[in-house]
Amino acid sequence: DAGITQSPRYKITETGRQVTLMCHQTWSHSYMFWYRQDLGHGLRLIYYSAAADITDKGEVPDGYVVSRSKTENFPLTLESATRSQTSVYFCASSEVRTDTQYFGPGTRLTVL
Amino acid sequence: GQNIDQPTEMTATEGAIVQINCTYQTSGFNGLFWYQQHAGEAPTFLSYNVLDGLEEKGRFSSFLSRSKGYSYLLLKELQMKDSASYLCAVRNDYKLSFGAGTTVTVRA
Repeated sequence: DAGITQSPRYKITETGRQVTLMCHQTWSHSYMFWYRQDLGHGLRLIYYSAAADITDKGEVPDGYVVSRSKTENFPLTLESATRSQTSVYFCASSEVRTDTQYFGPGTRLTVL
Repeated sequence: GQNIDQPTEMTATEGAIVQINCTYQTSGFNGLFWYQQHAGEAPTFLSYNVLDGLEEKGRFSSFLSRSKGYSYLLLKELQMKDSASYLCAVRNDYKLSFGAGTTVTVRA
């Protein structure tokens, strides 16, 4: 039972480069979420998706793009990475709108 | 807006009890989650309160008072493996708003 996985687990990139973080879940959960976690801020919602081809902005969406062509995948793209996007990124999923969210292992991204 | 407050750090001795408080002022409220997060790992679900009162799950209990905007997580019979961050999260529909987390250190 793989659950929810993220790749890569660690990534170092340079400012201005495009980076895509992958998220894959095997539960067929409808809802998927992307969060970033920074010291002193807790987890903040970037984007979420209610189903394939349905996405919407969260609290901190600027500089990020998402897509969801298949239920199981929810990639997050930084179109032109900035140093302020250095963070740990967590993907989460839930079966229904109001259910418990289950988190992936995270991707630690460093932008130089 | 969302305002969720928790203490930054707490230290306790193995075998003791620790209570982590969470106060919130949010634009909507449908429930409150507690998650545990070990260093370098993903948050994992501990408890969920929708109604006022105490929910007990083994060594962990969670309490909610909606009128006071207050919750606490009680960890009993502390073990070394309980050293972690504990995240309070308020649910408003499908959205979770998290506090910054409380780092609990258990000393032998």
